[in-house]
Amino acid sequence: EVQLVQSGAEVKKPGESLKISCKGSGYSFTSYWIGWVRQMPGKGLEWMGIIYPGDSDTRYSPSFQGQVTISADKSISTAYLQWSSLKASDTAMYYCVRLPGYSGYDYLDYWGQGTLVTVSS
Amino acid sequence: EIVMTQSPATLSVSPGERATLSCRASQSVSSNLAWYQQKPGQAPRLLIYGASTRATGIPARFSGSGSGTEFTLTISSLQSEDFAVYYCQQYNNWPPATFGQGTKVEIK
Repeated sequence: EVQLVQSGAEVKKPGESLKISCKGSGYSFTSYWIGWVRQMPGKGLEWMGIIYPGDSDTRYSPSFQGQVTISADKSISTAYLQWSSLKASDTAMYYCVRLPGYSGYDYLDYWGQGTLVTVSS
Repeated sequence: EIVMTQSPATLSVSPGERATLSCRASQSVSSNLAWYQQKPGQAPRLLIYGASTRATGIPARFSGSGSGTEFTLTISSLQSEDFAVYYCQQYNNWPPATFGQGTKVEIK
C-alpha cells in the first residue's frame, strides 16, 4: 500500500527556520516524483514544486522559487520542504503528493495527511 | 501560467440528484486534466485523471469529460458522502501545474 506520512504540526515565530518531512512507503521512492501543495486557511490548492528523488532534479512554481527549498534523502525515502525565514503568510496546510509519471508532468495520485504550519509572533 | 476557472463556486444539490461541475482552462491543456475531492479536515483525493479516467476505487457515479479548454465532472446520483469541495487541475503546462479555485457541493 502506497503511503505518504508527513511530520506533525508546527508552531513557529516569524523569522524562524523550519523543515517538514514526508516519508514514502509501499513503492519505489526513487522512481516517482514527489511534490508539495499549499493550502492557506479556507483557500484552494497551490502547486509549489516537485523533486525526483532518484537524481534530485527539482522544479519550482515561479511563485515559490526562492521562497522554499525542496529536497529528498533517498536513503530514508523522505522528502522535505524547508524555509529559512518564515513569515506569517506561510501559515497554511502543506501536503506532500506523489506524481505517477516519469516526466513529472502529471496528476497527483497519492496525498500525505498534511502538515499544518502556523507562524505567529 | 494557465488559469483554471471552475463554476459554479457553490452548487446546492439534493441527495440522489445529478451534479454537473465545470472547469475551463485559459488555453488548451489537451486531456491533461484531473479532478480531486476534498472533504473537511481531510487531504484531497484523486477522482479523475486524463480528463475521463476514474482513479482506482472511485465509484462509477463519478465521470469526467472534455478536452482542450472545457471540462466537466458529473456525479450521477449524489450520495451523502459526496458533499465536498472539488478541484480541477491541469498538468499539461507547468511550472506550475495549476488548480481551479474549487466548487463546493452542498446539500440543498
